[in-house]
Amino acid sequence: EVQLVQSGAEVKKPGESLKISCEGSGYTFANYWIGWVRQMPGKGLEWMGFIFPGDSGTRYSPSFQGQVTISADKSIATAYLQWSSLTASDTAMYYCARIRPSRGHFDYWGQGTLVTVSS
Amino acid sequence: DIEMTQSPSSLSASVGDRVSITCQASQAIKTYLNWYQQKPGKAPELLIYDASYLETGVPSRFTGSGSGTDFTFTITSLQPEDIATYYCQQYDGVPSFTFGQGTRLEIK
Repeated sequence: EVQLVQSGAEVKKPGESLKISCEGSGYTFANYWIGWVRQMPGKGLEWMGFIFPGDSGTRYSPSFQGQVTISADKSIATAYLQWSSLTASDTAMYYCARIRPSRGHFDYWGQGTLVTVSS
Repeated sequence: DIEMTQSPSSLSASVGDRVSITCQASQAIKTYLNWYQQKPGKAPELLIYDASYLETGVPSRFTGSGSGTDFTFTITSLQPEDIATYYCQQYDGVPSFTFGQGTRLEIK
């Protein structure tokens, strides 16, 4: 059974750094893209970027380029999303999802990680 | 980047009704169009991929059609458990992805 399990909710202060994780199981982690999707409170889904764990190649949405860093460690089947300096506008639910490379659909999703940034 | 225009933004219908949502891409995307359901407090779930293919385990009352720039998602007979927000999503092969704005579906 394919599963993506994300790390738990975080409460941070503005200016702090953060790294959240997404662990895959039930499939060959290196062979599928892992994407990250933001959902701000009461809003829609926004694609942030993705990584191909096989070669750690990444691509970011222009809206998120330079704002976050996506990485992965295929040896432990885990992808990461990190911020170097959080702001209140980063408060959101963040989902990871497996992406079928040739067709571009997000077929399995993590449960989401809620990030709250508040002074 | 390709933009997706999804409509309507909200919809109210009765159990048993046929319900349709449309999505228009700013450029042709062949059939690289997918539909998701998101229930409150839950992660999205894939319903339809490649415009018209039903994901395994998804009820057959959910259908999709279209190609190029215009796509339609239909629930042929609305059920109470279908209350959710629905999103379209395109893949342009660059690769990059865009979600539609979402359609909130309610029961009358």
